[in-house]
Amino acid sequence: GQQLNQSPQSMFIQEGEDVSMNCTSSSIFNTWLWYKQEPGEGPVLLIALYKAGELTSNGRLTAQFGITRKDSFLNISASIPSDVGIYFCAGASGGSYIPTFGRGTSLIVHP
Amino acid sequence: NAGVTQTPKFQVLKTGQSMTLQCAQDMNHEYMSWYRQDPGMGLRLIHYSVGAGITDQGEVPNGYNVSRSTTEDFPLRLLSAAPSQTSVYFCASRSTGSQETQYFGPGTRLLVL
Repeated sequence: GQQLNQSPQSMFIQEGEDVSMNCTSSSIFNTWLWYKQEPGEGPVLLIALYKAGELTSNGRLTAQFGITRKDSFLNISASIPSDVGIYFCAGASGGSYIPTFGRGTSLIVHP
Repeated sequence: NAGVTQTPKFQVLKTGQSMTLQCAQDMNHEYMSWYRQDPGMGLRLIHYSVGAGITDQGEVPNGYNVSRSTTEDFPLRLLSAAPSQTSVYFCASRSTGSQETQYFGPGTRLLVL
């Protein structure tokens, strides 16, 4: 099946720092998605990308769909304690649009 | 709208017992899916459905059955629970269209002894 490599696995940062995480795939995707999961909750969609090269922002979050369609990155600027959680990338292709998920990046922000 | 609801929130089973995890959505979404989440493994797709009466297997379907008799409901059945099925299970739904958004339920935490 499709493989998604998400890195880093975990990050421990100080409040105010910028964060960058990325996903790479062995396959081409038509859609890249970024989710955040807080403890005890289901994942919540942060950003959806539909076009190669697309750069999309959602507040302090910025994500890009790689030109090769095999990668994507998520940046968080000026991190705050409530950014804590697990961030997942997901890629989808084909008509069924059932995404494949990366293994997640666990983010801890120290005040 | 309640969105995607899942019941129960927690469940403890003995090996060999059967149970059904319920999932319902009130957004008239065509697509529904079940994932399991294990530490360090991300979300793995178990089964999915692209509409009432249509289901298909995902990445890890063994030991699970699904059916989709209505648009709203997509139950997941464990016929004979095994300790390897201890996990957190998430149901998700989405609509078709140009701006697809997948919504997840709050999850069911299952422990199989």
